[in-house]
Amino acid sequence: DIQMTQFPSTLSASVGDRVTITCRASQSVSSWLAWYQQRPGKAPNLLISLASTLQSGVPSRFSGSGSGTEFTLTISSLQPDDFATYYCQQYDTAPYTFGQGTKLEI
Amino acid sequence: QVQLQQWGAGLLKPSETLSLTCAVYGGPFRGYFWSWIRQPPGKGLDWIGEINHSGITNYNPSLKSRVTISVDTSKNQFSLKLNSVTAADTAVYYCARVGSRGAAGEFDYWGQGTLVTVSS
Repeated sequence: DIQMTQFPSTLSASVGDRVTITCRASQSVSSWLAWYQQRPGKAPNLLISLASTLQSGVPSRFSGSGSGTEFTLTISSLQPDDFATYYCQQYDTAPYTFGQGTKLEI
Repeated sequence: QVQLQQWGAGLLKPSETLSLTCAVYGGPFRGYFWSWIRQPPGKGLDWIGEINHSGITNYNPSLKSRVTISVDTSKNQFSLKLNSVTAADTAVYYCARVGSRGAAGEFDYWGQGTLVTVSS
C-alpha cells in the first residue's frame, strides 16, 4: 500500500495567518492527490483534486501544489471556519489511502 | 445536487455481520464508482472498497476476506456487508461517490456517516 504521511499532525494558528500542510507519499502518485476538510461530527468535504484543482464553491484562499511524492495545501488567510482537520488522499493505486490528518487549531 | 443517504444497524455484537445501505439521489448512478470508507473514533480514514452499476468491485486487501459490496441499480442503492466483526471494526462508516468516471478518483459526495459500535 502507498503510505501517506502528513505533517504537522497539529498546527496552531490565528485568524489571518498563512498556513501550509505537507503530505508525502511513500512512492510517486503523480498528481492523483486530493485534499479534504473535516469538521467534528461531519463527513469530509472535498477541497482539491488532481493536486491543485479547486472544487467548485471552495474559497480561493485554499490552494494545492505538488506532484510525485510531495504535496502541499496552503490556506492564504485563515478564517474562523477553517479550523478543522485536513486529510490528503492518493488515488493513483488501490487501495486508495489517506494521510493521518492535520488538526488546525486556534 | 447529488445526495447520499445511508442507514443500517449501529450496535453489533462480536462475530455478527455489519450491514449498511446507501441511496443516491439527485444525480446519475450509472457511470460512477461508489465507495465505502470508515473512520475509527478519533482516527483517520480507511477505504473499504467500491462498486459500479455493473457490479464491478474493488476491495481493500486488508478487509477483502470479510467484505461484500453489492448494488441495486433499480433503486440507485449500494450496500456493504462486513462479517465476523470485532471491536476493531467500531467506526463511523461513510458511503461516497468516486468523482472521476473510473474506479480511481477523489470522493466528491459523501453520506452523513453511520456510527457502528461492536460490543458484547
